[in-house]
Amino acid sequence: DAKTTQPNSMESNEEEPVHLPCNHSTISGTDYIHWYRQLPSQGPEYVIHGLTSNVNNRMASLAIAEDRKSSTLILHRATLRDAAVYYCILGGTSYGKLTFGQGTILTVHP
Amino acid sequence: SQTIHQWPATLVQPVGSPLSLECTVEGTSNPNLYWYRQAAGRGLQLLFYSVGIGQISSEVPQNLSASRPQDRQFILSSKKLLLSDSGFYLCAWSGLECCGETQYFGPGTRLLVL
Repeated sequence: DAKTTQPNSMESNEEEPVHLPCNHSTISGTDYIHWYRQLPSQGPEYVIHGLTSNVNNRMASLAIAEDRKSSTLILHRATLRDAAVYYCILGGTSYGKLTFGQGTILTVHP
Repeated sequence: SQTIHQWPATLVQPVGSPLSLECTVEGTSNPNLYWYRQAAGRGLQLLFYSVGIGQISSEVPQNLSASRPQDRQFILSSKKLLLSDSGFYLCAWSGLECCGETQYFGPGTRLLVL
């Protein structure tokens, strides 16, 4: 399985944008890039996914490098509620073995 | 809309006792179902997945088993719990969606084996 590399932790201030990076240099042509987040004591929550083009939804934006070897999850205005572990995961089009790594612990300061 | 339920929310069990955790999904048909375990301070490990009634695939050898007696019901069991079975157990479902797999997780069950 292709792997992803994320920083162990990042910090942000409330109402500032946050850019969470993910490297996936061994990504295959059919791998989608998924982002999930896990708030304390809860199950993971789907955030966004994409294949080649940048994607936007109500929660975040996903910027995918042209060579697809890296991507960035963008939270446009961080809130305290965004403090969580963010996982970048590669997955194919068939049902799902999503392999969760250690993720990035995001701390948001008031 | 789809919802996923897990129970119990928390459980404390002695070593050697049996286990049964239940997961049910509402608002969808023929979901793919998954059981994950998360040990303290670690990422999620996929334990089992199912693409249909009675169809179970195991990802890792272990002390646990899974069953899917109904389309939207997924059960995780053990005949004799070990200390190492402690953790946060998460059930998830996914559907046949365009453009990649998206999984939706339940609230989880915290299991402590003493």
